[in-house]
Amino acid sequence: DGGITQSPKYLFRKEGQNVTLSCEQNLNHDAMYWYRQDPGQGLRLIYYSQIVNDFQKGDIAEGYSVSREKKESFPLTVTSAQKNPTAFYLCASSPTWAGDEQYFGPGTRLTVT
Amino acid sequence: QKEVEQDPGPLSVPEGAIVSLNCTYSNSAFQYFMWYRQYSRKGPELLMYTYSSGNKEDGRFTAQVDKSSKYISLFIRDSQPSDSATYLCAMSAQAAGNKLTFGGGTRVLVKP
Repeated sequence: DGGITQSPKYLFRKEGQNVTLSCEQNLNHDAMYWYRQDPGQGLRLIYYSQIVNDFQKGDIAEGYSVSREKKESFPLTVTSAQKNPTAFYLCASSPTWAGDEQYFGPGTRLTVT
Repeated sequence: QKEVEQDPGPLSVPEGAIVSLNCTYSNSAFQYFMWYRQYSRKGPELLMYTYSSGNKEDGRFTAQVDKSSKYISLFIRDSQPSDSATYLCAMSAQAAGNKLTFGGGTRVLVKP
């Protein structure tokens, strides 16, 4: 089955710890994205990658970091510098960076206490 | 004011009714428009994708784009209880590549 997988589904961390969220796709898509969703709010773009070995900051990149060493993988690290890390994190991909439709993974719910 | 406005609902309809959803936007450069369905604690699922103005139909779903009014709509015919979800609109401008701007979502409840 082709698709996007995110792991884990639920993640709990103590304040001050860095945590890495996994995102893998087997759709052969060039572009990948990370979004954050908070209750009652739309999705907000954290980072995006147009192609392997390249990535750009989105609208709310502070306190986050990413890497794109392989086409199929785009992990997101939530660092201790992120002031409000508790949220639902969604990974997406699209065939190219040219107005294509984006497809989403199942999400990771991160809770930091 | 947000760039994309969407009534949060909830919008409650009886089973079999037509569900009518809409979004308004302020950026005239938006050209790519999408509708997603999101169940609670799940990732959004792409329902409709349209480019520029016009209508698009896919099964029970019809998407309309009116760029002159900066207004997009999604209609769901013969609604089912399984259509109960949050519906998100999203759009992007050609110059912005594929950076999507999302509405806040409308919660829909279809009652049997």
